[in-house]
Amino acid sequence: SQQGEEDPQALSIQEGENATMNCSYKTSINNLQWYRQNSGRGLVHLILIRSNEREKHSGRLRVTLDTSKKSSSLLITASRAADTASYFCATDDLTQGGSEKLVFGKGTKLTVNP
Amino acid sequence: DAGITQSPRHKVTETGTPVTLRCHQTENHRYMYWYRQDPGHGLRLIHYSYGVKDTDKGEVSDGYSVSRSKTEDFLLTLESATSSQTSVYFCAISEGQARTPQHFGDGTRLSIL
Repeated sequence: SQQGEEDPQALSIQEGENATMNCSYKTSINNLQWYRQNSGRGLVHLILIRSNEREKHSGRLRVTLDTSKKSSSLLITASRAADTASYFCATDDLTQGGSEKLVFGKGTKLTVNP
Repeated sequence: DAGITQSPRHKVTETGTPVTLRCHQTENHRYMYWYRQDPGHGLRLIHYSYGVKDTDKGEVSDGYSVSRSKTEDFLLTLESATSSQTSVYFCAISEGQARTPQHFGDGTRLSIL
């Protein structure tokens, strides 16, 4: 079952612009994570935000979490061509006793044009 | 980068043949996971392990089996491969449960003709 759903499915921007991706999920969670996947590679963990946190920063990344709306957003500021990748959100799923597993969304494909 | 090695990286085989994919880690992490990634479906969990000889099913476990006889190795077996199992397979590891980050290998691209 798909827990997280990213929006938009694809996003194309110019270098230097900001990129915002959204994730909606369905059930109660302990935490939400964001991952990046470059073409032909495995996923790389970017940031984890816990259910009692509202915002978290890491370098040019800003993640927000709204548990009342069951949604999160990932903002990449001052984007670079190297940010071109697919971005996935992932959550645990407390309704399935899911403390051992993550459930991933289908991802947002970001293209940053030079 | 986390020490995760998947082998083989690419494989082409025929329907009905057995296939085993290997994931090897050097991080001594307790949890290991096998996912498949397909267009339109994202990443789906096949099986996972929470310790040596301790495994459990994921969302899409039918047609797959796993084994973990050592902390560092997690094997995924397709007993009789079918074309629907053509996919990219990823192994991941984590120190703890879903509250900790997962670290991924670079995948095995498996084609079943």
